[in-house]
Amino acid sequence: EAQVTQNPRYLITVTGKKLTVTCSQNMNHEYMSWYRQDPGLGLRQIYYSMNVEVTDKGDVPEGYKVSRKEKRNFPLILESPSPNQTSLYFCASSLGAPRYEQYFGPGTRLTVT
Amino acid sequence: DQQVKQNSPSLSVQEGRISILNCDYTNSMFDYFLWYKKYPAEGPTFLISISSIKDKNEDGRFTVFLNKSAKHLSLHIVPSQPGDSAVYFCAASAGSGAGSYQLTFGKGTKLSVIP
Repeated sequence: EAQVTQNPRYLITVTGKKLTVTCSQNMNHEYMSWYRQDPGLGLRQIYYSMNVEVTDKGDVPEGYKVSRKEKRNFPLILESPSPNQTSLYFCASSLGAPRYEQYFGPGTRLTVT
Repeated sequence: DQQVKQNSPSLSVQEGRISILNCDYTNSMFDYFLWYKKYPAEGPTFLISISSIKDKNEDGRFTVFLNKSAKHLSLHIVPSQPGDSAVYFCAASAGSGAGSYQLTFGKGTKLSVIP
Protein backbone atom coordinates (compact mmCIF):
# COMPACT_ATOMS: atom_id res chain seq x y z
CA GLU A 1 0.00 0.00 0.00
CA ALA A 2 1.33 3.42 -1.00
CA GLN A 3 1.75 5.49 2.13
CA VAL A 4 3.61 8.07 4.17
CA THR A 5 4.31 7.03 7.74
CA GLN A 6 5.25 9.25 10.65
CA ASN A 7 6.48 8.35 14.11
CA PRO A 8 5.64 9.01 16.80
CA ARG A 9 1.97 9.94 16.35
CA TYR A 10 1.85 11.67 19.73
CA LEU A 11 4.68 13.13 21.79
CA ILE A 12 4.80 15.15 24.98
CA THR A 13 8.22 16.52 25.86
CA VAL A 14 9.91 19.25 27.87
CA THR A 15 11.62 22.42 26.72
CA GLY A 16 15.15 21.87 25.45
CA LYS A 17 15.07 18.08 25.07
CA LYS A 18 16.13 17.20 21.53
CA LEU A 19 13.68 15.12 19.53
CA THR A 20 13.29 13.64 16.07
CA VAL A 21 10.06 12.94 14.20
CA THR A 22 10.59 10.35 11.50
CA CYS A 23 8.92 10.32 8.09
CA SER A 24 9.10 7.59 5.50
CA GLN A 25 7.45 7.06 2.10
CA ASN A 26 7.31 3.94 -0.06
CA MET A 27 6.37 5.55 -3.39
CA ASN A 28 9.87 6.46 -4.63
CA HIS A 29 8.90 10.14 -4.55
CA GLU A 30 11.53 12.79 -5.26
CA TYR A 31 9.90 15.57 -3.22
CA MET A 32 9.21 15.55 0.51
CA SER A 33 8.07 18.29 2.83
CA TRP A 34 7.15 19.09 6.43
CA TYR A 35 4.21 21.26 7.48
CA ARG A 36 2.78 22.39 10.78
CA GLN A 37 -0.88 23.06 11.40
CA ASP A 38 -1.96 25.52 14.06
CA PRO A 39 -5.47 26.78 14.92
CA GLY A 40 -6.34 29.84 12.87
CA LEU A 41 -3.12 29.61 10.85
CA GLY A 42 -3.76 26.70 8.50
CA LEU A 43 -0.85 24.67 7.15
CA ARG A 44 2.58 26.26 6.96
CA GLN A 45 5.59 24.77 5.24
CA ILE A 46 8.67 24.22 7.44
CA TYR A 47 11.23 22.60 5.12
CA TYR A 48 11.18 20.73 1.85
CA SER A 49 13.51 18.47 -0.09
CA MET A 50 13.67 18.21 -3.86
CA ASN A 51 15.85 15.09 -3.76
CA VAL A 52 18.47 13.27 -1.72
CA GLU A 53 20.86 15.74 -0.07
CA VAL A 54 18.88 18.72 -1.40
CA THR A 55 16.80 20.61 1.15
CA ASP A 56 15.54 24.17 1.53
CA LYS A 57 13.62 26.35 3.95
CA GLY A 58 9.91 26.87 3.79
CA ASP A 59 7.98 29.67 5.44
CA VAL A 60 8.63 28.78 9.10
CA PRO A 61 12.03 27.01 9.40
CA GLU A 62 13.24 28.58 12.65
CA GLY A 63 13.98 26.01 15.35
CA TYR A 64 13.91 23.02 12.97
CA LYS A 65 16.45 20.96 11.08
CA VAL A 66 16.01 18.30 8.41
CA SER A 67 18.16 15.84 6.53
CA ARG A 68 17.60 13.72 3.42
CA LYS A 69 20.23 11.00 3.31
CA GLU A 70 17.95 8.46 1.66
CA LYS A 71 15.15 9.00 -0.82
CA ARG A 72 12.49 7.41 1.36
CA ASN A 73 13.25 9.16 4.67
CA PHE A 74 12.96 12.78 5.72
CA PRO A 75 13.26 13.25 9.50
CA LEU A 76 12.38 16.49 11.26
CA ILE A 77 14.73 17.43 14.09
CA LEU A 78 13.99 19.83 16.92
CA GLU A 79 17.37 20.48 18.59
CA SER A 80 15.95 22.49 21.50
CA PRO A 81 12.15 22.42 21.46
CA SER A 82 10.21 25.34 22.88
CA PRO A 83 6.51 25.67 23.80
CA ASN A 84 5.80 27.65 20.61
CA GLN A 85 6.63 24.49 18.66
CA THR A 86 3.61 22.75 20.15
CA SER A 87 1.67 21.88 17.03
CA LEU A 88 0.35 19.20 14.68
CA TYR A 89 3.03 18.19 12.18
CA PHE A 90 2.51 16.61 8.77
CA CYS A 91 5.01 15.05 6.44
CA ALA A 92 4.16 14.82 2.73
CA SER A 93 5.69 13.47 -0.46
CA SER A 94 5.08 13.83 -4.19
CA LEU A 95 6.57 12.83 -7.53
CA GLY A 96 8.07 16.26 -8.08
CA ALA A 97 7.37 19.88 -7.25
CA PRO A 98 4.25 20.39 -5.10
CA ARG A 99 2.06 21.11 -8.13
CA TYR A 100 1.91 17.34 -8.20
CA GLU A 101 -0.50 15.66 -5.81
CA GLN A 102 1.09 15.40 -2.38
CA TYR A 103 0.49 12.41 -0.15
CA PHE A 104 0.35 13.30 3.52
CA GLY A 105 1.18 11.25 6.57
CA PRO A 106 -1.31 10.88 9.44
CA GLY A 107 0.27 13.63 11.53
CA THR A 108 2.31 13.92 14.73
CA ARG A 109 0.84 15.87 17.60
CA LEU A 110 3.67 17.42 19.60
CA THR A 111 3.30 19.12 22.96
CA VAL A 112 6.28 20.95 24.48
CA THR A 113 5.89 21.93 28.14
CA ASP B 1 1.48 38.81 4.97
CA GLN B 2 -1.01 36.16 3.98
CA GLN B 3 -0.61 35.27 0.32
CA VAL B 4 -3.49 32.77 0.15
CA LYS B 5 -6.70 33.79 1.87
CA GLN B 6 -9.77 31.77 2.69
CA ASN B 7 -11.98 34.36 4.30
CA SER B 8 -14.79 32.05 5.39
CA PRO B 9 -13.71 29.91 8.35
CA SER B 10 -16.88 27.83 8.07
CA LEU B 11 -19.77 27.05 5.75
CA SER B 12 -22.97 25.06 6.28
CA VAL B 13 -24.91 23.62 3.35
CA GLN B 14 -27.94 21.38 3.03
CA GLU B 15 -27.37 17.92 1.54
CA GLY B 16 -28.00 17.93 -2.20
CA ARG B 17 -27.33 21.66 -2.61
CA ILE B 18 -24.22 23.33 -4.02
CA SER B 19 -21.23 24.16 -1.79
CA ILE B 20 -19.02 27.04 -2.92
CA LEU B 21 -15.70 27.55 -1.20
CA ASN B 22 -13.68 30.64 -2.04
CA CYS B 23 -9.99 31.45 -2.10
CA ASP B 24 -8.10 34.66 -2.94
CA TYR B 25 -4.40 35.10 -3.55
CA THR B 26 -2.09 38.09 -3.69
CA ASN B 27 1.11 36.74 -5.23
CA SER B 28 0.97 37.20 -9.01
CA MET B 29 3.72 34.59 -9.40
CA PHE B 30 1.34 31.82 -8.34
CA ASP B 31 0.34 29.81 -11.38
CA TYR B 32 -0.84 26.48 -10.00
CA PHE B 33 -3.57 25.97 -7.46
CA LEU B 34 -4.70 22.92 -5.52
CA TRP B 35 -7.48 22.01 -3.12
CA TYR B 36 -6.95 19.56 -0.29
CA LYS B 37 -9.57 18.05 1.99
CA LYS B 38 -8.88 17.15 5.60
CA TYR B 39 -10.91 14.99 7.97
CA PRO B 40 -10.22 15.12 11.72
CA ALA B 41 -7.30 12.96 12.90
CA GLU B 42 -6.13 12.35 9.31
CA GLY B 43 -3.64 13.97 6.97
CA PRO B 44 -4.93 16.17 4.12
CA THR B 45 -5.82 14.45 0.85
CA PHE B 46 -5.59 15.94 -2.62
CA LEU B 47 -8.89 16.85 -4.22
CA ILE B 48 -8.43 18.81 -7.44
CA SER B 49 -6.01 21.26 -9.05
CA ILE B 50 -5.90 23.88 -11.79
CA SER B 51 -3.18 25.51 -13.82
CA SER B 52 -3.31 29.22 -14.60
CA ILE B 53 -3.62 28.44 -18.32
CA LYS B 54 -7.13 27.15 -17.60
CA ASP B 55 -10.16 28.81 -16.04
CA LYS B 56 -12.04 25.65 -15.09
CA ASN B 57 -11.28 22.06 -14.15
CA GLU B 58 -13.85 19.38 -13.36
CA ASP B 59 -13.63 16.05 -11.60
CA GLY B 60 -16.95 14.41 -10.92
CA ARG B 61 -18.89 16.46 -8.38
CA PHE B 62 -15.97 18.87 -7.91
CA THR B 63 -15.21 21.86 -10.13
CA VAL B 64 -12.59 24.52 -9.58
CA PHE B 65 -12.90 27.92 -11.27
CA LEU B 66 -10.01 30.35 -11.63
CA ASN B 67 -10.35 34.08 -12.27
CA LYS B 68 -6.80 35.31 -12.81
CA SER B 69 -7.67 38.97 -13.18
CA ALA B 70 -9.41 38.92 -9.81
CA LYS B 71 -6.82 36.56 -8.26
CA HIS B 72 -9.71 34.43 -7.10
CA LEU B 73 -10.58 30.77 -7.27
CA SER B 74 -13.55 28.80 -6.07
CA LEU B 75 -14.38 25.15 -5.47
CA HIS B 76 -17.90 24.01 -6.30
CA ILE B 77 -19.28 20.75 -4.94
CA VAL B 78 -22.51 19.59 -6.57
CA PRO B 79 -24.45 17.91 -5.10
CA SER B 80 -23.08 18.17 -1.58
CA GLN B 81 -23.08 15.01 0.51
CA PRO B 82 -22.65 14.50 4.27
CA GLY B 83 -19.32 12.75 3.60
CA ASP B 84 -18.02 16.03 2.15
CA SER B 85 -18.02 17.53 5.65
CA ALA B 86 -14.35 18.35 6.25
CA VAL B 87 -11.88 21.22 6.27
CA TYR B 88 -10.91 22.37 2.78
CA PHE B 89 -7.54 24.01 2.15
CA CYS B 90 -6.66 26.07 -0.88
CA ALA B 91 -2.95 25.99 -1.84
CA ALA B 92 -0.80 27.75 -4.43
CA SER B 93 2.58 27.31 -6.06
CA ALA B 94 4.72 29.56 -8.24
CA GLY B 95 5.80 28.44 -11.69
CA SER B 96 9.56 28.74 -11.65
CA GLY B 97 12.58 29.14 -9.46
CA ALA B 98 12.63 28.39 -5.76
CA GLY B 99 8.94 29.24 -5.50
CA SER B 100 8.00 26.22 -7.58
CA TYR B 101 9.12 23.97 -4.76
CA GLN B 102 7.12 25.80 -2.10
CA LEU B 103 3.44 25.39 -1.41
CA THR B 104 1.46 28.09 0.35
CA PHE B 105 -1.80 27.14 2.03
CA GLY B 106 -4.78 29.16 3.14
CA LYS B 107 -6.19 28.84 6.65
CA GLY B 108 -8.94 26.48 5.57
CA THR B 109 -12.75 26.47 5.45
CA LYS B 110 -14.72 23.98 7.51
CA LEU B 111 -17.63 22.66 5.45
CA SER B 112 -20.60 21.07 7.19
CA VAL B 113 -23.16 19.30 5.01
CA ILE B 114 -26.42 18.88 6.87
CA PRO B 115 -28.49 15.78 6.06
